[in-house]
Amino acid sequence: QSVLTQPPSVSGAPGQRVTISCTGSSSNIGAGFDVHWYQQLPGTAPKLLIYGNTNRPSGVPDRFSGSNSGTSASLVIPGLQAEDEADYYCQSYDSSLNGWVFGGGTKLTVL
Amino acid sequence: EVQLVESGGGLVQPGGSLRLSCAASGFSFSSYAMTWVRQAPGKGLEWVSSISATGGTTYSADSVKGRFTISRDNSKNTLYLQMNSLRAEDTAVYYCAKNPRREPRGDDDFDIWGQGTMVHVSS
Repeated sequence: QSVLTQPPSVSGAPGQRVTISCTGSSSNIGAGFDVHWYQQLPGTAPKLLIYGNTNRPSGVPDRFSGSNSGTSASLVIPGLQAEDEADYYCQSYDSSLNGWVFGGGTKLTVL
Repeated sequence: EVQLVESGGGLVQPGGSLRLSCAASGFSFSSYAMTWVRQAPGKGLEWVSSISATGGTTYSADSVKGRFTISRDNSKNTLYLQMNSLRAEDTAVYYCAKNPRREPRGDDDFDIWGQGTMVHVSS
């Protein structure tokens, strides 16, 4: 069981808006540690998608956005595209575990 | 081009040892902390171990503490993971990843990833 909780799966049609949630606690997201998001396309390594809660690395399309509030964070994709079909992971730090933690991952299916 | 290339994975018996390597290129390796992350087959990502830019500070997950040792050779631009007393539950793809600063910090993301190397622990 992961320290950060994500829905196992979400889906949407092309052009639709999807939100992937990441729920933590007072020892990680709630403690103010940054949340980061990774995209893992099938059969490939994870790729940094959002860092520092809301920032996109160079080359990441601006249709991906991140936010957080309290003990939760969200990844929002307002206009789904077929190539967005992948697994998505949130990541933060946990002060109780003294280590970096990931969510269990969310499989995004584009219908 | 910034690149991380892992090697050293393979099939090993329970209780055995293996050393993974991660060769870095395209950036100033000695200026950044580095991290190992693993992914069991069909499962999510798990942080394993991190090391500072100089190698003077290391951090490890409880699941591998006392069995795995992270190290680096900045003269060779290479990161290592020495894995001893391997168990079936250590079976995973092991990724090396770059931290954004010299010393691992709670707010760190992992901004560059290698392609991974598979470790299979089985008799």
